Amino acid sequence: DIQMTQSPASLSASVGDRVTITCRASQGISGYLAWYQQQPGKVPKLLMYAASILQSGVSSRFSGSGSGTDFTLTISSLQPEDVATYYCQKYDSSPFTFGGGTKVEIK
Amino acid sequence: EVQLVESGGDLVQPGGSLRLSCAASGFVFDRYGMDWVRQAPGKGLEWISFISSNSYTTYYADSVEGRFIISRDNAKNSLYLQMNSLRDGDTAVYYCARDPGQIAVARLDNWGQGTLVTVSS
Repeated sequence: DIQMTQSPASLSASVGDRVTITCRASQGISGYLAWYQQQPGKVPKLLMYAASILQSGVSSRFSGSGSGTDFTLTISSLQPEDVATYYCQKYDSSPFTFGGGTKVEIK
Repeated sequence: EVQLVESGGDLVQPGGSLRLSCAASGFVFDRYGMDWVRQAPGKGLEWISFISSNSYTTYYADSVEGRFIISRDNAKNSLYLQMNSLRDGDTAVYYCARDPGQIAVARLDNWGQGTLVTVSS
């Protein structure tokens, strides 16, 4: 099975900083990758799919890129409401595995 | 407005069984695939199962294959997860999620609030 590895596991940044989260697949998955945000105590929310397509209603501060094995989620200017854990998920084939998550905090 | 409401979570002994339900509203249920995802306390998300819009195709994570069965009733706008041979490691909040992929996972674009399953003696 393909493994999904996110890095870093956690990060702390200042409001207004540019933040980048990486998701790496152990084998190529083309562009079949989604990103989710889970704010503390809340339900996960879809941010991005097909690696770079922003889900309707999601802030344009978020962007995604990548294909094959390496993907990134970027927050252009970190805001307090972005404090959350972010997960990637592959959906090229079963099992549709999530990455381990990246916890983003405000410094 | 899309609504997904899970129910059926409970405290169950190891080796026991439980059936979760997810009631869907606000969209045309039979045009979407559906998924179950779980989250153990303090842990990350774990995808566990998908069912296609017409129930012809199902997928399972290795961790639940052979023990859990996903099903749906399009006439009742409902999704189910039959959980058998439950283990301590199955303790988690279980979420149902809508999936625009009709025959395989595409993305999980709406999530329920979750239902807690606790496996303990």
